[in-house]
Amino acid sequence: DQQVKQNSPSLSVQEGRISILNCDYTNSMFDYFLWYKKYPAEGPTFLISISSIKDKNEDGRFTVFLNKSAKHLSLHIVPSQPGDSAVYFCAAGESGSARQLTFGSGTQLTVLP
Amino acid sequence: DTAVSQTPKYLVTQMGNDKSIKCEQNLGHDTMYWYKQDSKKFLKIMFSYNNKELIINETVPNRFSPKSPDKAHLNLHINSLELGDSAVYFCASSHHDRNTEAFFGQGTRLTVV
Repeated sequence: DQQVKQNSPSLSVQEGRISILNCDYTNSMFDYFLWYKKYPAEGPTFLISISSIKDKNEDGRFTVFLNKSAKHLSLHIVPSQPGDSAVYFCAAGESGSARQLTFGSGTQLTVLP
Repeated sequence: DTAVSQTPKYLVTQMGNDKSIKCEQNLGHDTMYWYKQDSKKFLKIMFSYNNKELIINETVPNRFSPKSPDKAHLNLHINSLELGDSAVYFCASSHHDRNTEAFFGQGTRLTVV
């Protein structure tokens, strides 16, 4: 039972354009959400997060949007750069003792020069 | 300085063997985790551990056991290795009482032959 879903396994965009990566979740107890970026043969690295009390968080070229009613979040990267090419994982967590993150299956983003 | 480090990076072993993967973090975090990335690229939580509690994902076979000699280390022991255990294993750490990101190690690619 996948509680966090990334339905697009891959996405290609032209350099300079906007990349939009999507994520859906089913567990209403999730109250914070994160995006991680992963290069081959490396561990995931944190990119940006958002708490359920917000609907938008921005950090430079990266913006995460949260729509709680739709249980949907998205990551916007603008402008996209070739160095952004990586696998992007959406993750969700529930405040509590465990602090475990539930991950989506990832989206491979390719930014074409 | 590497924040979360795992050794070895690659491990090839025969079925039936017992092996360990080591993990150390120098971030002062009080919670550590083991995740498994399977052939379908899902990152799934196996264990989360702080000095108060060990939480085990119920789907993890009891051949897998975490050992924590101190707060900075969480090693993963695997007994009687099976072909299906082949995967990439990631260690991570975070603060227990904050909604912050988890930091990941670079992963250990385990191949059981």
